[in-house]
Amino acid sequence: GQQVMQIPQYQHVQEGEDFTTYCNSSTTLSNIQWYKQRPGGHPVFLIQLVKSGEVKKQKRLTFQFGEAKKNSSLHITATQTTDVGTYFCAGYAGNNRKLIWGLGTSLAVNP
Amino acid sequence: KAGVTQTPRYLIKTRGQQVTLSCSPISGHRSVSWYQQTPGQGLQFLFEYFSETQRNKGNFPGRFSGRQFSNSRSEMNVSTLELGDSALYLCASNFLGTAYNEQFFGPGTRLTVL
Repeated sequence: GQQVMQIPQYQHVQEGEDFTTYCNSSTTLSNIQWYKQRPGGHPVFLIQLVKSGEVKKQKRLTFQFGEAKKNSSLHITATQTTDVGTYFCAGYAGNNRKLIWGLGTSLAVNP
Repeated sequence: KAGVTQTPRYLIKTRGQQVTLSCSPISGHRSVSWYQQTPGQGLQFLFEYFSETQRNKGNFPGRFSGRQFSNSRSEMNVSTLELGDSALYLCASNFLGTAYNEQFFGPGTRLTVL
């Protein structure tokens, strides 16, 4: 079945270091959405990418959608303790109306 | 505008019992999706309702069911609870239920089955 793999599963960084999580789909995606879930919280929408090769930035966060629309990445520059949480990617594939979710990358930031 | 609300926030049940969880979407949102979240398993899609109709369903047994009312509020029912049903149940509302609308999540209901 359709899957979205997300790596790494966990990442520990020192505050100020960069962080990247990758999302890889077995099929071409119509779009990719990124969500952040703080510990004890619920997922909160960050951004959506739709176009092949699209790059979007939100302050220290950079999101990319691959040319083949099968992979995506989220890069955080100079992490802060407020970046702690689990980052999920999710996408729609073709006519499948189900949003396919990655398992998430949990980020821990040491101050 | 009020966010997505879920009740109850916490629930403790025993095996074999049944449970009903409630979700009130953001005003104007017609699509409600339900997810089960367990450590290491991410978000598992249960089902989606749009205008009172189940539009999509995940790979869960028939013990998991849901419905949506005319005011878009949704309920999820789990019958004959098993220990493995212990999880955070999240609902998410979506304005039109299209692929390109963001999901707005509620705080979740933490279900513990003893």
